[in-house]
Amino acid sequence: DADVTQTPRNRITKTGKRIMLECSQTKGHDRMYWYRQDPGLGLRLIYYSFDVKDINKGEISDGYSVSRQAQAKFSLSLESAIPNQTALYFCATSRMDGQASTDTQYFGPGTRLTVL
Amino acid sequence: GQNIDQPTEMTATEGAIVQINCTYQTSGFNGLFWYQQHAGEAPTFLSYNVLDGLEEKGRFSSFLSRSKGYSYLLLKELQMKDSASYLCAVSIINDYKLSFGAGTTVTVRA
Repeated sequence: DADVTQTPRNRITKTGKRIMLECSQTKGHDRMYWYRQDPGLGLRLIYYSFDVKDINKGEISDGYSVSRQAQAKFSLSLESAIPNQTALYFCATSRMDGQASTDTQYFGPGTRLTVL
Repeated sequence: GQNIDQPTEMTATEGAIVQINCTYQTSGFNGLFWYQQHAGEAPTFLSYNVLDGLEEKGRFSSFLSRSKGYSYLLLKELQMKDSASYLCAVSIINDYKLSFGAGTTVTVRA
């Protein structure tokens, strides 16, 4: 079974709709991240969370919100979807144990979102 | 933010060697990561360097020079399945996030 799962894997929606993307992990990691990936732009950080009570904005948080429901669950919402939010979205996790190598992130399979 | 540069595309022949360079400019450097990403799939962790030198893992090796802000990923004995995008990423001390380069697309030809 996959350690980091994302649902849905594909979604087509219309402008103005509210969309939620969900991420669950069984790795027992404290830190979770949401990225979007666009061709030629690489991975850009939307939001991140280091524990259930901690939420932080990334470099492109406008138009998005998140909820950390539990250590294992981190959801991304698009309150009113627009076409330029069409992208591939990834969730990632990393552990927290004081070692330098714990910055290593492990990614879910991604959600391909199309906003018409 | 961090300025991370890597070539956009590279092409090589099956069985050959390819070297993907990555340069970065940052303060508080904590480590450099390489990920492999096949088209439409998740990035997967390849290697991590924090000290200067070469780290070897089978056909893949990664090198770091902290003083030069430079790393490379070396892929030996290329196989068709190595056709993918390779992402360079940098972490900063006490930041716990990764900043990614735009990725290098490697195409392996028969």
